[in-house]
This record gives sequence, structure tokens and C-alpha cells, in this order.
Amino acid sequence: GQQVMQIPQYQHVQEGEDFTTYCNSSTTLSNIQWYKQRPGGHPVFLIQLVKSGEVKKQKRLTFQFGEAKKNSSLHITATQTTDVGTYFCAGPRQGAQKLVFGQGTRLTINP
Amino acid sequence: GAVVSQHPSRVICKSGTSVKIECRSLDFQATTMFWYRQFPKKSLMLMATSNEGSKATYEQGVEKDKFLINHASLTLSTLTVTSAHPEDSSFYICSARADDPPGTEAFFGQGTRLTVV
Repeated sequence: GQQVMQIPQYQHVQEGEDFTTYCNSSTTLSNIQWYKQRPGGHPVFLIQLVKSGEVKKQKRLTFQFGEAKKNSSLHITATQTTDVGTYFCAGPRQGAQKLVFGQGTRLTINP
Repeated sequence: GAVVSQHPSRVICKSGTSVKIECRSLDFQATTMFWYRQFPKKSLMLMATSNEGSKATYEQGVEKDKFLINHASLTLSTLTVTSAHPEDSSFYICSARADDPPGTEAFFGQGTRLTVV
């Protein structure tokens, strides 16, 4: 079935360093969404990408959607302690409203 | 922004008892809601899709008689874990997307941490 793979599983950085997580789907996606889950919290929507090759920025966060619409990345520039959490990508299951989530990348930061 | 309220946030129950978890969309209608289970430091596993006015659809491997879902109104879905056992201990989260206008993002409830002793 449809799979969404995300790497790395864990990432530990020094505050101020950059961070990137990658998402790959086994099938072409109509769109891809990114969520952030703080420790002990629930996932919160960050952004949705729809167009092939799309790049969107939110302050220090840069999101990209691949040309083939099968992969995506989230890059954080100059991480801050508030960036700590798990970042999930998610794509719609074919022909359905359901979302298939990647395994998530857990980001921890050394202040 | 849209809010999904999930209750209770934590529950401890004895093995063999049943636990009901509520998920409410507070300021929008949601014909469809989703129930997930999340193990520690793991991803979200979709358990079932809750459909207002009709039966829920369950993912492969999820026992429908174990996890009863009722979507009684456009703003409320409930998940009942029946005859709970310690292996059912987990973090359960619901999510919903607005019907109108057709929503894109999924709003998540705060989650329910279930501990079966």
C-alpha cells in the first residue's frame, strides 16, 4: 500500500545549527502537509504544498515539494529551542480524505 | 482558528472495563473524523474513519468490536475501548477537517493518554 517514509528518525543539533527532514512517498501525491508535535502535545498543522516544485517559507522554515510530487523537505535555519518537537509529513491516501503520516523526525536541541 | 476538543486528556482504568473518549469540533462541522493511535516516540497510526450517520471504516488489523466508534452528530465522534487490557494503553488522538468550506488541514484534539492497569 501507499507508504510515506521520513528521514532521519532523530536529529540532535546545537542551537543555531540548521536542520532538515526529508519525506518520500511511494506514490505521487496531490499535496503534502507538514505538522509539528511538541513533546506531550498534539500535531499542529504547519503548511500544505500542492504544486510541483513548490517552495514556501515561514520565517526560518522552508518547505519544498519535489518536481515529481513524491518527495518533500522541511529545512529550519538557525534552530532555536522553541523548534524542539517531532515533525511529520503527511500525504492524502489515494482517492480518500485520509492522511498517511511519515514516521516523523524528532528534533532535539542543545542550548 | 478551528479547534477540536478531546476528552478526557488522561484516563486510568482497570483491565476489563470500557473507556469512552469524546472528540468534538468546536466551531466547524465535520462529517468525517479520524481516530489515531500513537505509541511513544512513534508516528500516528490511523485506526478508523468516523462517518456521521453511518458506520465507521476501520483500518486493516483494527478490531471494530474492540474499538467502537459512534459519530452521532456533525460535531461529535466517540471512541469506546471495550474490555480494555494493558496492551491497549496508548495515546489516542482524533482529528477532523472542516466540511465547509472544504478544509485542507487536519485539526487534532489534544489526545487521550489511556493507561490500563
